[in-house]
Amino acid sequence: GAVVSQHPSWVICKSGTSVKIECRSLDFQATTMFWYRQFPKQSLMLMATSNEGSKATYEQGVEKDKFLINHASLTLSTLTVTSAHPEDSSFYICSARDRDRVYVGEQFFGPGTRLTVL
Amino acid sequence: LAKTTQPISMDSYEGQEVNITCSHNNIATNDYITWYQQFPSQGPRFIIQGYKTKVTNEVASLFIPADRKSSTLSLPRVSLSDTAVYYCLVASGEDSNYQLIWGAGTKLIIKP
Repeated sequence: GAVVSQHPSWVICKSGTSVKIECRSLDFQATTMFWYRQFPKQSLMLMATSNEGSKATYEQGVEKDKFLINHASLTLSTLTVTSAHPEDSSFYICSARDRDRVYVGEQFFGPGTRLTVL
Repeated sequence: LAKTTQPISMDSYEGQEVNITCSHNNIATNDYITWYQQFPSQGPRFIIQGYKTKVTNEVASLFIPADRKSSTLSLPRVSLSDTAVYYCLVASGEDSNYQLIWGAGTKLIIKP
C-alpha cells in the first residue's frame, strides 16, 4: 500500500517551454502533497505544500508564478514549470500524506521526475 | 526553528550494526523525528518515525534520548544493499501549516 506515482519519469524540453509533472496517490487519499526539488548530491528542498481544494503554500524563495501547483483531487497534484530555463533542470519529487495517518513526517514519495532544460 | 545536523558520510562492512545520529537541538514539543532512505535517482523511502525513547520495526530502530536533542537510527546487520543516503526529518504541524526540517543526508557506504 501507500504508492505514489509520478509522470513523466524524465523529460527534456527546450528553454522557454512549460512542463507539467503529475503526482498521484494510487491507493490512498492524500489531503496534502509536497513538492521537492533536489540537485545532484544535495538534500531535498521543499518547494511547496499543496492541500486538496486550496492554494498551495510556497516556501520562501520559490516563485509561485513559475512553479504552478494544482491539487484538484485527493489523489492528484500537478506541478507546472512555466517558461523553463536551464537552471530549472533538476530532480523533482512529490510526496503525499495519507489523511488516515497521524504524523506529518510520514510521507510517501513518488519516484521523481528528472527535468532537463536545453 | 529546529535545525538538523547529520554526518556527511559513513562507511561500514556487511553484517555490522550501523548507527547514524542526527542532532536537532532546537526541536519543539510537537515535532516528530522521521528517517528516510534514498537510492540514486529515486524518491526517499520511509524507514521509521518516533517521538521519544525507542521505536523498533522490521528494518531499523530509532533511539531518542529524554531531551530529544538528537536521535540515532540503528540498522542491524547491514548488507551491500543498504548503501544509500539517509535523511532525518524533524516535522510538525497539521492542516496547511507544516514545519519540515530536513537534514543534509548521510551517505552510507557498505563494503563487503
